Amino acid sequence: AQTVTQSQPEMSVQEAETVTLSCTYDTSESDYYLFWYKQPPSRQMILVIRQEAYKQQNATENRFSVNFQKAAKSFSLKISDSQLGDAAMYFCAYRINNAGNMLTFGGGTRLMVKP
Amino acid sequence: DGGITQSPKYLFRKEGQNVTLSCEQNLNHDAMYWYRQDPGQGLRLIYYSQIVNDFQKGDIAEGYSVSREKKESFPLTVTSAQKNPTAFYLCASSRWDKVRSMNTEAFFGQGTRLTVV
Repeated sequence: AQTVTQSQPEMSVQEAETVTLSCTYDTSESDYYLFWYKQPPSRQMILVIRQEAYKQQNATENRFSVNFQKAAKSFSLKISDSQLGDAAMYFCAYRINNAGNMLTFGGGTRLMVKP
Repeated sequence: DGGITQSPKYLFRKEGQNVTLSCEQNLNHDAMYWYRQDPGQGLRLIYYSQIVNDFQKGDIAEGYSVSREKKESFPLTVTSAQKNPTAFYLCASSRWDKVRSMNTEAFFGQGTRLTVV
């Protein structure tokens, strides 16, 4: 079975500081994508960042960056200069690049941002 | 504006009744998906469809049915066989990248909250 594990049900960060959300996954495949999605109170899923497994360079999108450790099957999300609008559920997910192309999600981490 | 539209946002049904959730996209995406989300949990795949008139079961397909008669539409029917239908349902779609032979990232609708009483 292929799984995604987010070991932190809740995290808290002070506004303007940095926080890291953890994610580990288990797959025997070598070609896949990894994603972080944000789900604010509106409950719409918003793509934050993605990483292709064959790329060694860590993806970055403005204040969001990842630490991708392929051998360790780890894919953490770092949020710098946290803002109140970052408060949300964050889901880690991966997709194997075959005909199925289904996303497998972790259980989520609730991020709280303190003013 | 392009996007994915789910309707209705809230849906109430009596136990034992079938109900159909709508999902429409005007992004010209090939693949469409239905996920279920229970409180405090991640998303679980119900069904997905890569092309018109073809769909595959996901991890929790029992008690659900779908159709894909048009590229733009992927309705989900929650049947009376689904034992715990009350949940939040999310529809998503993604584009097929011919160069990479893979789907791009998934874009989601705003979801439908189904409550069965």
